[in-house]
Amino acid sequence: ILNVEQSPQSLHVQEGDSTNFTCSFPSSNFYALHWYRWETAKSPEALFVMTLNGDEKKKGRISATLNTKEGYSYLYIKGSQPEDSATYLCALRIVPDSNYQLIWGAGTKLIIKP
Amino acid sequence: SQTIHQWPATLVQPVGSPLSLECTVEGTSNPNLYWYRQAAGRGLQLLFYSVGIGQISSEVPQNLSASRPQDRQFILSSKKLLLSDSGFYLCAWSHLTGLMNTEAFFGQGTRLTVV
Repeated sequence: ILNVEQSPQSLHVQEGDSTNFTCSFPSSNFYALHWYRWETAKSPEALFVMTLNGDEKKKGRISATLNTKEGYSYLYIKGSQPEDSATYLCALRIVPDSNYQLIWGAGTKLIIKP
Repeated sequence: SQTIHQWPATLVQPVGSPLSLECTVEGTSNPNLYWYRQAAGRGLQLLFYSVGIGQISSEVPQNLSASRPQDRQFILSSKKLLLSDSGFYLCAWSHLTGLMNTEAFFGQGTRLTVV
């Protein structure tokens, strides 16, 4: 059974501080790694899709890196703001013939303290 | 632009009662459709997916079933709810392709409490 682990489970960060958290996954059968942000009372929204070892993606103050050989991805938030409070989910897409299959982590719940 | 509608937003049902959650997608055709559940403290669990009308695949054996009567309509059902069916249910769609960058677009979710 493939397992995607996210740590920490929750995180309290002071407004203005930078933070990061981890998504770990089995490196065999890797096809793509997705990051989503899920704000309370809203739908999960895609942040990044990462496919290549060493990939680095950036959207505003949020960035992500990918290491497919060791099976992890980091999500970084620079200068946290209250609107960054959300649960951040990562999902592993395995080999392409399972195009429906996203294996999800449990998420990291980020709370920004003003 | 594409939109996805899911209802109801919240639902409280007694044990043994039936369930019907509906999801519709607008602005696209032939989407892949998915039902996910998030149990407390856990990630999203894929329950069902569909690549076309009448085509349903189940990922997890359970008390639930799904149907796709129309191209952009996906329904999650149960004949008799169990307490363990409580959770947050999300409908999602993606383009019908195996492209690596295919993201999923989610509905607003249904909070189901079985009492």
